[in-house]
Amino acid sequence: EAGVAQSPRYKIIEKRQSVAFWCNPISGHATLYWYQQILGQGPKLLIQFQNNGVVDDSQLPKDRFSAERLKGVDSTLKIQPAKLEDSAVYLCASSFRIGAEAFFGQGTRLTVV
Amino acid sequence: TQLLEQSPQFLSIQEGENLTVYCNSSSVFSSLQWYRQEPGEGPVLLVTVVTGGEVKKLKRLTFQFGDARKDSSLHITAAQPGDTGLYLCAGRNYGGSQGNLIFGKGTKLSVKP
Repeated sequence: EAGVAQSPRYKIIEKRQSVAFWCNPISGHATLYWYQQILGQGPKLLIQFQNNGVVDDSQLPKDRFSAERLKGVDSTLKIQPAKLEDSAVYLCASSFRIGAEAFFGQGTRLTVV
Repeated sequence: TQLLEQSPQFLSIQEGENLTVYCNSSSVFSSLQWYRQEPGEGPVLLVTVVTGGEVKKLKRLTFQFGDARKDSSLHITAAQPGDTGLYLCAGRNYGGSQGNLIFGKGTKLSVKP
């Protein structure tokens, strides 16, 4: 069974530029999560989808971050404009349903210079 | 705000030694999970504990959930270099989004041959 796929693996951008990350969850998984993991810290939930609806986006900085999962499968996370403090690993995870085991992708390491 | 404090933050030991890492909170969680994360990879679930006082064993790893469901410990017997990694505990909320995991900052373990 294929795991959670994320791209790109690495991205370096200048501050104030825009960037987008893509996630393809495990087939059949209804719940999709985006986490931000800053160096030396644990992952922090940014947004959670159930199919194509948002369940929790309380920690998403909505002035610059946006995410969508239009067809309830793939998802994209966008940052516009990026700040230095956005440098982190962005992890996508999926689970069969809310509360079930979450499987993580390898993440996208973003460096903002 | 629910917080999970992990200790120690860093641990460097020799192969064959035993170790215990701790995960503490002032909040009660419906369940607690332990993950291991290797560099450049996403976290991988090791175990989920649900019942207060529960003890689970996974080969040389022993996990315990506190009676009050506020804390947990991970004990590794006869550590091996392959155990090296970042160990994260994550608590799942009772209310709100049941899928929302709150992660600690992790314990970075290095086992030297």
